[in-house]
Amino acid sequence: DAKTTQPTSMDCAEGRAANLPCNHSTISGNEYVYWYRQIHSQGPQYIIHGLKNNETNEMASLIITEDRKSSTLILPHATLRDTAVYYCIVTGGTSYGKLTFGQGTILTVHP
Amino acid sequence: NAGVMQNPRHLVRRRGQEARLRCSPMKGHSHVYWYRQLPEEGLKFMVYLQKENIIDESGMPKERFSAEFPKEGPSILRIQQVVRGDSAAYFCASSPPSRPGANVLTFGAGSRLTVL
Repeated sequence: DAKTTQPTSMDCAEGRAANLPCNHSTISGNEYVYWYRQIHSQGPQYIIHGLKNNETNEMASLIITEDRKSSTLILPHATLRDTAVYYCIVTGGTSYGKLTFGQGTILTVHP
Repeated sequence: NAGVMQNPRHLVRRRGQEARLRCSPMKGHSHVYWYRQLPEEGLKFMVYLQKENIIDESGMPKERFSAEFPKEGPSILRIQQVVRGDSAAYFCASSPPSRPGANVLTFGAGSRLTVL
C-alpha cells in the first residue's frame, strides 16, 4: 500500500469548513483513498473513500487531485463532535480490510 | 440494527492469566477483523477471519495469541499467559462479503485489556 503523509494537527472554528490534506505521491492505479476517524476512546469510523473522482456523502467530501498524488477531506460545517484523529489510508482493491493506520491528523474544533 | 458488539468493554488480568475477547459482527457481515491499539500508538491489523477460516493472520504475534470465528457464535480473540505489554485496546471490525475495494469496515467500541 502507498505511504501517506498528513499534518500532525489542525485547528478549525466551529461552523467553518475543515480541510484536511493528505499526500500519497506513490499511489498506484488500482489503489483507493479511504478516510477514517477515531474520536477519543472510541472505535474508528469510516467516513468516505474514492478512486479518482471527487466523492460526497452525508458526512464529508473527498477531493482527489487529477494526478491522484494528494487528496483533501472536507467537513463542510465542523462541529465540536468532529474533534478526532483523522486517518488517510491508501490501499489496493485486494487488501480486504487490512488497513494501515498511520499517525493521522488530530483535528480540534474550537467553539 | 445493532452494530459490531464487543465484550467485555474492560478486562483486567494478572500476568500469566488468559484473556478472551468476544466480537459479534454486524448482521449480514461475514468478515471479521481484529486490530490492536497500544497506548500512544496507532492501530495495527492483527487478523482477518471468515466463518471457520483464518484468511490473514500476518499481524498476530507468533505466540500466545489466537483467533477464531466459529460457524455459530461470536469471534474470539484469545491471549494466553498475558504480559504487561499486552495491555491495549483491541478493536473488532466487520464487513459484508468482500468485493474488490471493499475496505469499508464497521468497528466496535473496543475491549480495553489491562494486565497487572
